[in-house]
Amino acid sequence: DTEVTQTPKHLVMGMTNKKSLKCEQHMGHRAMYWYKQKAKKPPELMFVYSYEKLSINESVPSRFSPECPNSSLLNLHLHALQPEDSALYLCASTQGTGASRGNYGYTFGSGTRLTVV
Amino acid sequence: AQSVTQLDSQVPVFEEAPVELRCNYSSSVSVYLFWYVQYPNQGLQLLLKYLSGSTLVESINGFEAEFNKSQTSFHLRKPSVHISDTAEYFCALTKAAGNKLTFGGGTRVLVKP
Repeated sequence: DTEVTQTPKHLVMGMTNKKSLKCEQHMGHRAMYWYKQKAKKPPELMFVYSYEKLSINESVPSRFSPECPNSSLLNLHLHALQPEDSALYLCASTQGTGASRGNYGYTFGSGTRLTVV
Repeated sequence: AQSVTQLDSQVPVFEEAPVELRCNYSSSVSVYLFWYVQYPNQGLQLLLKYLSGSTLVESINGFEAEFNKSQTSFHLRKPSVHISDTAEYFCALTKAAGNKLTFGGGTRVLVKP
């Protein structure tokens, strides 16, 4: 299995809703990432988990709450989002981090397209 | 800090013509360089990467990129494009000892028949 699987593919939520995005990989990768991509822009890093611990939070608002229950699973919990949070949310994984990242680069999922109404 | 600049935001090209996408980077430390492709409404797929060794790297679908340390560039080329190459292409880097992927602004390639 060489994929990162993201669910759901599409999500529409109201500003008072609570929802979660899910990301799963079975490649034995120990680092997982959330990126946000607005239309016609490059992805922007939100969070990095390394060995199931949060290692980087790029000053993301608290209405986004990441969770890494185990080495294969990464969640992004959403609450009280704003319309400007509408974007493609991408999950990625790497074998490790830093010098232990390995030669495989980053594997991205196909994303969840989120619309906040 | 590291940065990536993609010099062209859009590149229109006719089918079977060659294409070059330009990427320049800035970093005071060693970096790994990547090219990703994003087809409409999809995630990112790794095209090729430079970690070390030979400065010319190739992908399985005919793309190649050359790492030029003196010019701090990592340009992507394909000698003959197909309609299916229409996509957004992102150049990216990480520090050799880091875990943050920094992207350029992207280049949209539109292949015309």
